[in-house]
Amino acid sequence: EDKVVQSPLSLVVHEGDTVTLNCSYEVTNFRSLLWYKQEKKAPTFLFMLTSSGIEKKSGRLSSILDKKELSSILNITATQTGDSAIYLCASGSSNTGKLIFGQGTTLQVKP
Amino acid sequence: DGGITQSPKYLFRKEGQNVTLSCEQNLNHDAMYWYRQDPGQGLRLIYYSQIVNDFQKGDIAEGYSVSREKKESFPLTVTSAQKNPTAFYLCASSIQLAGVYEQYFGPGTRLTVT
Repeated sequence: EDKVVQSPLSLVVHEGDTVTLNCSYEVTNFRSLLWYKQEKKAPTFLFMLTSSGIEKKSGRLSSILDKKELSSILNITATQTGDSAIYLCASGSSNTGKLIFGQGTTLQVKP
Repeated sequence: DGGITQSPKYLFRKEGQNVTLSCEQNLNHDAMYWYRQDPGQGLRLIYYSQIVNDFQKGDIAEGYSVSREKKESFPLTVTSAQKNPTAFYLCASSIQLAGVYEQYFGPGTRLTVT
């Protein structure tokens, strides 16, 4: 059965800290790994990763995929209170065209 | 403005009543999806549709029904057979199937059944 597991499930840090969120996957015919940020409502897209070892970066956020380890990390440097959210990881299969989501990591950044 | 709209934002129903949640997109996307989100469980796929007049069950389809009569619209009906319908429901769309393309989400409908 395809599955995606995120860790930790929740995290509390202070502004300025750097955090690393983890995502591991077991997906038949893996095609892509996606990261989303969810605040109060709709998840917003952050990154899509398809190639191993190539870092994607957007401001203070970056992510990389390791196909050998079947995992990905999302790094946030110099965290701000506005980074507080649920971070969702999802993996796509070219077999089914569906995304399998992990449980999410709830990040709280304290001032 | 391009995007996905869901209505209503909050919905309250009595147990035993069917209720339909609306989802409309003007992104010209072929594929559309319905998810349910419960605390600590991430997103679980209810139904998805790749093209008009065709849809497939996701992982938790029991107690739900959908239709796809138009490309822009993918309404979800929560029937009285759904044992625990209170949840946050998210609609999403993608250019094609989401193994290859990212999904875009609507703002969600929070359904409370008492």
